[in-house]
Amino acid sequence: AQSVAQPEDQVNVAEGNPLTVKCTYSVSGNPYLFWYVQYPNRGLQFLLKYITGDNLVKGSYGFEAEFNKSQTSFHLKKPSALVSDSALYFCAVRDLGGNTPLVFGKGTRLSVIA
Amino acid sequence: EAGVAQSPRYKIIEKRQSVAFWCNPISGHATLYWYQQILGQGPKLLIQFQNNGVVDDSQLPKDRFSAERLKGVDSTLKIQPAKLEDSAVYLCASSSQHTDTQYFGPGTRLTVL
Repeated sequence: AQSVAQPEDQVNVAEGNPLTVKCTYSVSGNPYLFWYVQYPNRGLQFLLKYITGDNLVKGSYGFEAEFNKSQTSFHLKKPSALVSDSALYFCAVRDLGGNTPLVFGKGTRLSVIA
Repeated sequence: EAGVAQSPRYKIIEKRQSVAFWCNPISGHATLYWYQQILGQGPKLLIQFQNNGVVDDSQLPKDRFSAERLKGVDSTLKIQPAKLEDSAVYLCASSSQHTDTQYFGPGTRLTVL
């Protein structure tokens, strides 16, 4: 069965500093990986995805994520955090080869402090 | 391009009552999903439609939940009767046949008292 782990409930970072939100996954085949962001009282917004190819994926709002197959990780990163990045971030995975649903992690709350 | 529309945005009901949520996906998106997001958790898929057919409803509590997408466009999710543990945000998402990227609506926050 597919699963996603986001080991940190909360990440705090100072504005202007780099940020990392961690995600590890488990699938039986090749992974199809996503990051979504959720602002208060709003639905999830797509940030980026990895299917195949370059391990470093660039997405919206200056975010990027690095796929690491050996560590089964897909950490979200941004070189310089903004206060407006404060939100709830979800990692999600599904098995690329099968007709399986997207499975989400429990989310990590990012707080960027001015 | 208009996004995924959902209504109502908020609903408060008492247990054992019934409730219905409506979703209109992005125009042209063949696949529609309903998720349940309980506070402090990630979204959990309830049901997935491809046009007007059900692809996956394995996690839908069929004794009380039902969903339909009769004309392959908009969809309705119903709960009857509601329980306290159904309090959650119900998210609708859609995707096109050319990509697996799902686009989400704003959600309906249900409170069952």
